[in-house]
Amino acid sequence: ETGVTQTPRHLVMGMTNKKSLKCEQHLGHNAMYWYKQSAKKPLELMFVYSLEERVENNSVPSRFSPECPNSSHLFLHLHTLQPEDSALYLCASSQSSSGQTQYFGPGTRLLVL
Amino acid sequence: GENVEQHPSTLSVQEGDSAVIKCTYSDSASNYFPWYKQELGKGPQLIIDIRSNVGEKKDQRIAVTLNKTAKHFSLHITETQPEDSAVYFCAAQNSGYALNFGKGTSLLVTP
Repeated sequence: ETGVTQTPRHLVMGMTNKKSLKCEQHLGHNAMYWYKQSAKKPLELMFVYSLEERVENNSVPSRFSPECPNSSHLFLHLHTLQPEDSALYLCASSQSSSGQTQYFGPGTRLLVL
Repeated sequence: GENVEQHPSTLSVQEGDSAVIKCTYSDSASNYFPWYKQELGKGPQLIIDIRSNVGEKKDQRIAVTLNKTAKHFSLHITETQPEDSAVYFCAAQNSGYALNFGKGTSLLVTP
């Protein structure tokens, strides 16, 4: 699990706050992903970055803004979230973006009040 | 898009028994099928995967089978142990980026 790290592990924020989630991968991978995991629902892909370029935005609201400054780091900037955005946010990485094993971090448990 | 169905949603077995989790997928172009195990407070961890050119793969007590014609694949855990208790997810991927996940199976192995 140390291959992909995420901070913070837990976050409580109000609807007017701005916060950022951070992900770092130590595996030398070229692709990174953000997923949302809500209770009783499948993991939902949010964003995909390949070689630091966003290659997929899965109809995610603009209050979620990803940033990938280099192939090892991925951020998810949060602004004016809603209570229904409360979930576990998982970061993953893979060697390339298709047909490769994705390795997940431990996630950030987000609660929006 | 791809739709992955996973059953059962919960499964309770006695230690030493076998556990089987089944998934079906809708996109015939899917060619990569990983299985993940998620323990409480952790992210999903890959336990085994299979590609469409293979019908079965085994790794110690864990095996996966794939039936491309019927579009279903299954996870088999033999000689279950309490530490196998977790949530298991199947997924399917075609040539695109997305892993399409099932809703998960909560497995409980009782001593």
